[in-house]
Amino acid sequence: QVQLQESGPGLVKPSETLSLTCTVSGGSISSYYWSWIRQPPGKGLEWIGHISDSGSTSYNPSLKSRVTISVDASKNQFSLKLSSVTAADTAVYYCARRVSDFPYHFDYWGQGSLVTVSS
Amino acid sequence: DIQMTQSPSSLSASVGDRVTITCRASQRISSYLSWYQQKPGKAPKVLIYAASSLQSGVPSRFSGSGFGTDFTLTISNLQSEDFATYYCQQSYSTPGTFGGGTKVEIK
Repeated sequence: QVQLQESGPGLVKPSETLSLTCTVSGGSISSYYWSWIRQPPGKGLEWIGHISDSGSTSYNPSLKSRVTISVDASKNQFSLKLSSVTAADTAVYYCARRVSDFPYHFDYWGQGSLVTVSS
Repeated sequence: DIQMTQSPSSLSASVGDRVTITCRASQRISSYLSWYQQKPGKAPKVLIYAASSLQSGVPSRFSGSGFGTDFTLTISNLQSEDFATYYCQQSYSTPGTFGGGTKVEIK
């Protein structure tokens, strides 16, 4: 059974960089796309971006200037960095596995990591 | 970005009811749509992908239909464990956008 687990600081100061890592267990990171999706408290879901096992990335244009997603296949991990954060970036951040090219869906999700942006 | 509009935003229903949730895309997206169920404090769970394909392990009381711009998620014989928020998501173009959600509550 594939499992995903987010890890990283739960509190980030405004203007700093949010960093999260997702560890994949029970399966290989190869042959899939790996995504980050966030959900502000009480609100809907927003796709942030994804990375392939080979390292090709795609980002939400609304966040592209601040987002970097990277992969470390040797550790079965992928990571998210979001720079210059503000209170609007406070959210639960999920990592998820994307299945297939198009159409695609997300079949495995982490449990979510709440990140609060506050001084 | 493609806008996904769900209706209603919330509904009240009883166990045993048939529930229908609608998702409308701002442009045609073929069958590039999936449906997710989310319970409080939990990650979303995929129910339906490619508009009408049932994800493995999901009860058959869940079904999806639609093509182009208009899509429907139907829950027949609503069970207590189905009270949750449901989201649609298009994968036709980047960014893959989600609908605003439909909260299904107990009447």
